Amino acid sequence: ETGVTQTPRHLVMGMTNKKSLKCEQHLGHNAMYWYKQSAKKPLELMFVYSLEERVENNSVPSRFSPECPNSSHLFLHLHTLQPEDSALYLCASSQDLGINQPQHFGDGTRLSIL
Amino acid sequence: GENVEQHPSTLSVQEGDSAVIKCTYSDSASNYFPWYKQELGKRPQLIIDIRSNVGEKKDQRIAVTLNKTAKHFSLHITETQPEDSAVYFCAARGVGGNTPLVFGKGTRLSVIA
Repeated sequence: ETGVTQTPRHLVMGMTNKKSLKCEQHLGHNAMYWYKQSAKKPLELMFVYSLEERVENNSVPSRFSPECPNSSHLFLHLHTLQPEDSALYLCASSQDLGINQPQHFGDGTRLSIL
Repeated sequence: GENVEQHPSTLSVQEGDSAVIKCTYSDSASNYFPWYKQELGKRPQLIIDIRSNVGEKKDQRIAVTLNKTAKHFSLHITETQPEDSAVYFCAARGVGGNTPLVFGKGTRLSVIA
C-alpha cells in the first residue's frame, strides 16, 4: 500500500497528443517531486515543488509542464513529446524539502511515445 | 552541488552470501543518506537510512555504514535471499535550504539460488 498514488499506470500516446499525468499523496507532505527513469539510467530529477511553489527545474524541455494546485496534488502535462521521452515517470513526496526525511514514491506511469 | 557515485553497477552473489554496495559523495556537509530498493516493475522503497551523527545502523539482515572522513557509505546485506534481487539506489542530501536528495545510478543485485 502506498501513500502516493499515480494515474494512469500506463500511457501510450502519439507525438502530437496532449496528456497529463496525475499524482496524489495522502501523507500530509509539503514537498513533491517528478522523476524520469529510463532503462539503464539513473533517476533523473525533473521538478521539485515545496508548498505548491516550484523550487527546481532541472533543464527540462518545455514539452513537460508541471502543475501543483495544492500540496496533495501534482500534475505533469505532456505535449508534442519525442520517442526518447518514453520512460517510467515517478512521483514522490516528502514531509518538507529541508529536513532529513525520506521520499516516498508512487508506482509510476509507464509512458510510451509512438 | 552534491554528486553521488555508486559501485558496482551490477552485482551477482550466491544465495546465503553477503552483498556490499558502496557510494561516495562530494559534499562534506551532507548529513542524510537513505537507501532504496526497487524491484522489477515496482516503485523505489526506502529500506534503511542513516544520518551523519551515526556511524552504523542495522535492521535485521541489512546494515549501513558511514565514513564521514572519507565521504563514503555502504549497504551490507547478509545471508542474501532470491527476494533480495532488485536495483538498489543510494542517495545523499546536502545541507541548506531547499536541497533535494541526489541519487546514485543504482546497483542491480542478482541473488543466485
